[in-house]
Amino acid sequence: DGGITQSPKYLFRKEGQNVTLSCEQNLNHDAMYWYRQDPGQGLRLIYYSQIVNDFQKGDIAEGYSVSREKKESFPLTVTSAQKNPTAFYLCASSGTSGGNGADTQYFGPGTRLTVL
Amino acid sequence: EDQVTQSPEALRLQEGESSSLNCSYTVSGLRGLFWYRQDPGKGPEFLFTLYSAGEEKEKERLKATLTKKESFLHITAPKPEDSATYLCAVQARGSGNTGKLIFGQGTTLQVKP
Repeated sequence: DGGITQSPKYLFRKEGQNVTLSCEQNLNHDAMYWYRQDPGQGLRLIYYSQIVNDFQKGDIAEGYSVSREKKESFPLTVTSAQKNPTAFYLCASSGTSGGNGADTQYFGPGTRLTVL
Repeated sequence: EDQVTQSPEALRLQEGESSSLNCSYTVSGLRGLFWYRQDPGKGPEFLFTLYSAGEEKEKERLKATLTKKESFLHITAPKPEDSATYLCAVQARGSGNTGKLIFGQGTTLQVKP
């Protein structure tokens, strides 16, 4: 089955720790994205990558870092510089689907990060 | 500034009671509008993509429509299993080739038996 997997499902972080969230896709999509979801707010873009070995900051990149060494993988590190990391993190991927270039993004199941 | 607003925030329906969810958008040229369904604690599930005004798409009890300023998600004779949060997102032409989506805050639908 093609899809996107995220691990772990739940993650607990102590103050001052860096933690890494995994995202893997077997959809053969070029583009991958990381979003953060907080109660009462829309999804906000953290980082995105259109191609291997290239990535760009989204709207709320401070305190986060990513890498894109393989097409299938786009891990997100939440660093100790992120002051309010407790949230639901969603990974997505996309390939060109529309004639005008609009890309449908497909989401993984998410990782819930809690700071202790 | 590109913006997406969904209404209402929450909607309670009786089973079989049809209704509509609204997604209003202000973007610098629309490349695509997307509807997703999200169950608690899970990732959004893709429903529809709409590209131009006048376009409509259907799937089971759901029908999505698009005008130049808004989209509606019509739910016909809903069942309790349709209870979820419905998310609307747009991709603007001003986003270039980034694929960036702008999300609304969602409408939480509860369907009672």
